Amino acid sequence: NAGVTQTPKFRVLKTGQSMTLLCAQDMNHEYMYWYRQDPGMGLRLIHYSVGEGTTAKGEVPDGYNVSRLKKQNFLLGLESAAPSQTSVYFCATGQQLAKNIQYFGAGTRLSVL
Amino acid sequence: GDSVTQMEGPVTLSEEAFLTINCTYTATGYPSLFWYVQYPGEGLQLLLKATKADDKGSNKGFEATYRKETTSFHLEKGSVQVSDSAVYFCALGPTSTGNQFYFGTGTSLTVIP
Repeated sequence: NAGVTQTPKFRVLKTGQSMTLLCAQDMNHEYMYWYRQDPGMGLRLIHYSVGEGTTAKGEVPDGYNVSRLKKQNFLLGLESAAPSQTSVYFCATGQQLAKNIQYFGAGTRLSVL
Repeated sequence: GDSVTQMEGPVTLSEEAFLTINCTYTATGYPSLFWYVQYPGEGLQLLLKATKADDKGSNKGFEATYRKETTSFHLEKGSVQVSDSAVYFCALGPTSTGNQFYFGTGTSLTVIP
């Protein structure tokens, strides 16, 4: 049982390049979240989804887009990467009836040069 | 808005010492409170939770009590081990009308033999 799987684990981009981070879950959870983790800032919510075909903005959505075309996948896109987007990105999932508990992936470390 | 203020780190303790990590919160409504732990190179894992005032969450020797009168949820452990070395995050869960979590900045704990 894989749980929450994030790909890739590491990536280095040049300013202006684009990329997509994939979060895949096999727990049949309705809720999915994308966070970024920066030193001294804790985790900040970028976007989230409460079900297939839905997305909503979190605390820091600028410069990111997301899609939830399938229940098990939540994609985070950077259309034109900037050095300020250098961070560790975490995906998390949760159940609608128990949305108080989140399950996290291992993270993606992204550097934008 | 809702927020979490967590004790600054890093914290270094000797094995078998007593641990306290302070956490206070600001919230509308009556959210659940959580402590998550992050081991090096991994995603966050739920350590314990409390869903209402005066509840005590406990796990692996760690405890925290939901104090509504002081808006606090301090993490304690009576005797830390080297294996407890990690980053600890206090978090505020979604209220009945919301979907968002709020995380503290994290406290790094190192336990030395």
